[in-house]
Amino acid sequence: QSVLTQPPSVSGAPGQRVSISCTGSSSNIGAGCDVHWYQQLPGTAPKPLIYENSNRPSGVPDRFSGSKSGTSASLAIAGLQAEDEADYYCQSYDSSLNVYVFGTGTKVTVL
Amino acid sequence: EVQLLESGGGLVQPGGSLRLSCAASGFPFGDFAMSWVRQAPGKGLEWVSLITDDAPFYADFVKGRFTISRDISKKTLFLQMNSLRAEDTAIYYCTKMEGHPMTKWWLDYWGQGSLVTVSS
Repeated sequence: QSVLTQPPSVSGAPGQRVSISCTGSSSNIGAGCDVHWYQQLPGTAPKPLIYENSNRPSGVPDRFSGSKSGTSASLAIAGLQAEDEADYYCQSYDSSLNVYVFGTGTKVTVL
Repeated sequence: EVQLLESGGGLVQPGGSLRLSCAASGFPFGDFAMSWVRQAPGKGLEWVSLITDDAPFYADFVKGRFTISRDISKKTLFLQMNSLRAEDTAIYYCTKMEGHPMTKWWLDYWGQGSLVTVSS
């Protein structure tokens, strides 16, 4: 089972701001391990959205932002658009298990 | 342009074997760690295995059954999967790792995935 917990779903109207939480523990996020975020559009491979907690890869709109505090991290999507409907996953490293871990995933729905 | 192209997936019976390949291009293959990540139908992402400087790492659920390797001269990553179980059914993605040090690694490029179905 995943060691990073995300809400199963979040939704918002176009133009709204939504936030997705990623809750870990003292052996991963709380141990100082970075959090990264991926977007998976229906039927496609995941693609990186945020790396090292708050950095955006080239080409990712600045509507997407990330933050980390304590044993949790968050992904925010401002100005929600229809094309943002997708599954979102956080990822980190667990220093006790010595493995890379993903969050449970969150489905974003644009109303 | 970085490209990762998986092949070798298919239908296999429980207890059988399969070898996945991932042909890489567009970056110095030998300079980066590579991983396999899988996704069971309708489920989330699961890290499977990683190779760096020819040292492999595995998730507990594949240890002793799966072997990761790479041929740097052919820019190809492999995943040998033995003793396959129904719960190994998934799309397997080849991914390139980025960042430093190892605890900060993230997956900056993904292949399109290769479906492995374990069923009798």
